[in-house]
Amino acid sequence: GAGVSQSPSNKVTEKGKDVELRCDPISGHTALYWYRQSLGQGLEFLIYFQGNSAPDKSGLPSDRFSAERTGGSVSTLTIQRTQQEDSAVYLCASSSRRGNNSPLHFGNGTRLTVT
Amino acid sequence: GNSVTQMEGPVTLSEEAFLTINCTYTATGYPSLFWYVQYPGEGLQLLLKATKADDKGSNKGFEATYRKETTSFHLEKGSVQVSDSAVYFCALSEVQGAQKLVFGQGTRLTINP
Repeated sequence: GAGVSQSPSNKVTEKGKDVELRCDPISGHTALYWYRQSLGQGLEFLIYFQGNSAPDKSGLPSDRFSAERTGGSVSTLTIQRTQQEDSAVYLCASSSRRGNNSPLHFGNGTRLTVT
Repeated sequence: GNSVTQMEGPVTLSEEAFLTINCTYTATGYPSLFWYVQYPGEGLQLLLKATKADDKGSNKGFEATYRKETTSFHLEKGSVQVSDSAVYFCALSEVQGAQKLVFGQGTRLTINP
């Protein structure tokens, strides 16, 4: 079956521009997570959506970062006024329910390069 | 805050060698512990997990035991294969009910035939 799909796979943008990254989770998965993987910081949690609950935004590094999840399915991570330190691989993951018994399924990520 | 420290790589072994990748953690509560693997060109995937002290997670010949007394979750395999070449991440879940994972820095493993 289809896994978690992320687009684009690669994005190069100029400093100061806004970018949108998209995640299509596995159908029926209620939980959706964004992480980022960078050379300096490793893998970091960004934001978590669970069903219709308010998202947990505790990992977002600044107010330039925001995310939404429409209709409980597709999610978009937006970075405004990009900076060079935003360069990283942005990973999306989904799981079928709350709790540690449901494994996270990760997408292949979007590699963002800010020039 | 919570943190995970894992053995620095890269690690290079010959096929059929014994593998250990060390992982220790710092946590205020009773986290769940995970090993994730990232094969070349693929996304992160769960390798194994343990949710309470003394639990042993196992998969594909890999094992790790949740040791509360030493705050460790070392990954072991008795006989590695070339196909095990990948980056391995140890992680803990801070919050029950949500997998806000805290990851180690990753260990790149290369197995030579």
